[in-house]
Amino acid sequence: DIQMTQSPSSLSASVGDRVTISCQASQDVMNFLNWYQQKPGKAPKLLIYDASHLETGVPSRFSGSGSGKLFTLTINSLQPEDFATYYCQQYDTLFTFGPGTKVDIK
Amino acid sequence: QVQLQESGPGLVRPSETLSLTCSVSGGSINHYYWAWIRQTPGKGLEWIGYIYYTGTTKYNPSLNSRVTLSVDTSKNQFSLKLTSVTVADTAVYYCAREKQLGPFDSWGQGTLVTVSS
Repeated sequence: DIQMTQSPSSLSASVGDRVTISCQASQDVMNFLNWYQQKPGKAPKLLIYDASHLETGVPSRFSGSGSGKLFTLTINSLQPEDFATYYCQQYDTLFTFGPGTKVDIK
Repeated sequence: QVQLQESGPGLVRPSETLSLTCSVSGGSINHYYWAWIRQTPGKGLEWIGYIYYTGTTKYNPSLNSRVTLSVDTSKNQFSLKLTSVTVADTAVYYCAREKQLGPFDSWGQGTLVTVSS
């Protein structure tokens, strides 16, 4: 099984901040890595696929990078609607999600 | 814009079978992979399995012996059966569309299924 870890597990930030979330896979997943945003009571929403490709309709302040085992999601100029939980997910071998990073208001 | 909607009982007794259906609207079920994913506070998001519109399936090995997915292209629906449920199967269950066997790009709203006597 490929295990996914994320850091930090939670963070507090202010509107306008730049936020970086890390995701690490237990083994090489190449670029088969996606990022999702989830708000309370809602389904996850795809933000980034294949490590760095922005899903259609997602604001350009979201970006993803990395390959192999280490990946990063960056949110430039955090907006009020960005306070949510973010998950990474690998699909190199079956599908595994990270435990999530909760971004809340400082 | 494709839309997905889960339906099924919200309460299942221990040892019984959990059955859910996902109805797809705004697009065809053909030529896509379709998945079930569940979420619990303790285990987070867990992929259950996927089914291609032709009926080809793949399951999470941790659930493999208890899961069956099926598809009805005439109704634009796919379904989940999970047998011998326990309280550990209490979760919000989501259906989702897989884009090219990779990201889940469309999700249902989710349905809470509680396993309890």
